[in-house]
Amino acid sequence: ETGVTQTPRHLVMGMTNKKSLKCEQHLGHNAMYWYKQSAKKPLELMFVYSLEERVENNSVPSRFSPECPNSSHLFLHLHTLQPEDSALYLCASSQDSLYGYTFGSGTRLTVV
Amino acid sequence: AQSVAQPEDQVNVAEGNPLTVKCTYSVSGNPYLFWYVQYPNRGLQFLLKYITGDNLVKGSYGFEAEFNKSQTSFHLKKPSALVSDSALYFCAVRDRTAGNKLTFGGGTRVLVKP
Repeated sequence: ETGVTQTPRHLVMGMTNKKSLKCEQHLGHNAMYWYKQSAKKPLELMFVYSLEERVENNSVPSRFSPECPNSSHLFLHLHTLQPEDSALYLCASSQDSLYGYTFGSGTRLTVV
Repeated sequence: AQSVAQPEDQVNVAEGNPLTVKCTYSVSGNPYLFWYVQYPNRGLQFLLKYITGDNLVKGSYGFEAEFNKSQTSFHLKKPSALVSDSALYFCAVRDRTAGNKLTFGGGTRVLVKP
């Protein structure tokens, strides 16, 4: 375990479903990140939260909605996804990039 | 702006042979540099970092990397590769004046054949 926990590990959802991905860290970090990893784009930064405030949104479609209720938890709410959204979704956290990022193991999402 | 390039999509090497994974970077100031490894269906794991000091950095699993400022490179090396080193490797850079954000390269897949 890295200290960053993602649930669920695997998720299969239909295009009309609503689901949420959860990320939790108890490392005392103050920044959290969502990445999408697919065969076409190895690491695609989606959202950045610093001190619970969204500081970056890289032109992500509105069917992805992040939420950071406190410094330890980060969610990615999903609705009406497309098959091309199937990917590994990685969460990461950091305190200071002197130490880099700590990644979770990811959620493997399949949209059918 | 900061950027990272990993010029090889895949590196093939025989077990026991030296392994090198290339990385070059571009930052406006002095860099912090990182290497991460990813095994199938897992997150990225930290391997090593260069912050300051000795240009040769030693990390986990027998890996090392050499910071070369004149060539703006930070190549990852291992003297004798193992089949278990087969994975996806990412180089990352942070400009010391650019806040917390890391910029990752596109990744290099390493295949070590027995």
